[in-house]
Amino acid sequence: EIVLTQSPGTLSLSPGERATLSCRASQSISSTYLAWYQQKPGQAPRLLIYGASSRATGIPDRFSGSGSGTDFTLTISRLEPEDFAVYYCQQYGSSPPYSFGQGTKLESK
Amino acid sequence: EVQMLESGGGLVQPGGSLRVSCAASGFIFSSTAMSWVRQAPGKGLEWVSSISGGGFNTYYADSVKGRFTISRDNSKNTVDLQMNNLRAEDTAIYYCVKRWSYLDYWGQGTLVTVSS
Repeated sequence: EIVLTQSPGTLSLSPGERATLSCRASQSISSTYLAWYQQKPGQAPRLLIYGASSRATGIPDRFSGSGSGTDFTLTISRLEPEDFAVYYCQQYGSSPPYSFGQGTKLESK
Repeated sequence: EVQMLESGGGLVQPGGSLRVSCAASGFIFSSTAMSWVRQAPGKGLEWVSSISGGGFNTYYADSVKGRFTISRDNSKNTVDLQMNNLRAEDTAIYYCVKRWSYLDYWGQGTLVTVSS
């Protein structure tokens, strides 16, 4: 089973700043098979990025994903107040099982 | 508009059974794989199970294999998760999600609490 480790656990930034979130896999995965989700309190997760770098429908272009092999990054270029949330990465292959990272909480400084 | 509406959550005793259901709309259900993902209180996300569009292929996390069964009714656009021999650690919000692989639309979830 592939284990995903996200860092940092908590990231404290101010609106307008740039956020960089990391996701590291225990073994190499195809960049085709890495997704990022955003979850706000009391809400279901929302797909942000799939295929490591493709934005989902309706996702603003301040969100971008990159990486390959075992190291992947979600970047938010300029934080808006609504971006403070928990972010999860997920690996998926051609079929299950799938795994999620433990999450990074992005909080307002 | 794509929608998933879960139902059937509630309080159940350890060792008991519960069936949660999901009614989907807004997409071609019969050709779309579906998944269940859960989230224990204050914890992260855990993939639970997936089923192919035709229902012939099913997958389970090791933590629920042999206890949970996923099924679907393409005539009604519904997907169910039958949960048997429930444990305290199964307490979570259960989300119905469109697709396997990346998960593009999520329901609001239904809470399952396993407690005596």
